[in-house]
Amino acid sequence: DAGVTQSPTHLIKTRGQHVTLRCSPISGHKSVSWYQQVLGQGPQFIFQYYEKEERGRGNFPDRFSARQFPNYSSELNVNALLLGDSALYLCASSFGTGGYEQYFGPGTRLTVT
Amino acid sequence: GENVEQHPSTLSVQEGDSAVIKCTYSDSASNYFPWYKQELGKRPQLIIDIRSNVGEKKDQRIAVTLNKTAKHFSLHITETQPEDSAVYFCAAYSFSGGYNKLIFGAGTRLAVHP
Repeated sequence: DAGVTQSPTHLIKTRGQHVTLRCSPISGHKSVSWYQQVLGQGPQFIFQYYEKEERGRGNFPDRFSARQFPNYSSELNVNALLLGDSALYLCASSFGTGGYEQYFGPGTRLTVT
Repeated sequence: GENVEQHPSTLSVQEGDSAVIKCTYSDSASNYFPWYKQELGKRPQLIIDIRSNVGEKKDQRIAVTLNKTAKHFSLHITETQPEDSAVYFCAAYSFSGGYNKLIFGAGTRLAVHP
C-alpha cells in the first residue's frame, strides 16, 4: 500500500505570494490533518478534515485555509506569505477523527524569502 | 489553552542503557496518546500509542505508561541502540473548544552512544 504522499517536496516563495500544498492520504483513510513544524520544534496543528468537512482548527491566522476533495486528498493554502511561514508542512492521514492513529507524509519544506 | 509539556529536551545514554521521556497534558478529556520518532530530515514515525482505558502498553523494547489522574504519560526504551538516536515527540488528542486536535510536545533529542 502506498503511504501518505505530499507535493511538492520543496518550495521557495517570496513574501506576499500565495502557496498551495497537496496531500494524498493512505487508501481507505478519510481524514487528513495539516501541521506546521518549525525547525527544532514539535508539529503545530493547523487543520483537520474528515469527509470534506473541517473538524479541527489550530491557532493560525485566516491566511491559512484548506479543503478536502471527494477522493479525500487535501490542499493547504497560505496567502500573503510571511518570512515566519518558513517551515516543514506535514500532512497526516487517519481513518477517522478522534483517537485514530495518524500517519505522516514526508512533508513540504517551504522557504519564504 | 491545551498544552503538552515534554521532558527532558535532550537525553544522552550509553548503548544498552534505558531511556525515559516524560510528558504531561492539560486537557482532562484527552483519551489518546501517541509517540513519534523523527530522524533528521525524515517524517515523524508513529512508534507506539496508548488509550485512556489502558495503563501500560509494551512493544518489544518500547513501553508507554499512562497516569490519567496525574495527567502524565511516559515512554520507556530499554536496551537502547545507536539507531534509537532521534527526536521523540509525545502528543495528546484534545477535544476542547469544540474541535479535535493532536497537541505535540516540544520533543526530546535522544543520543545513544556506542
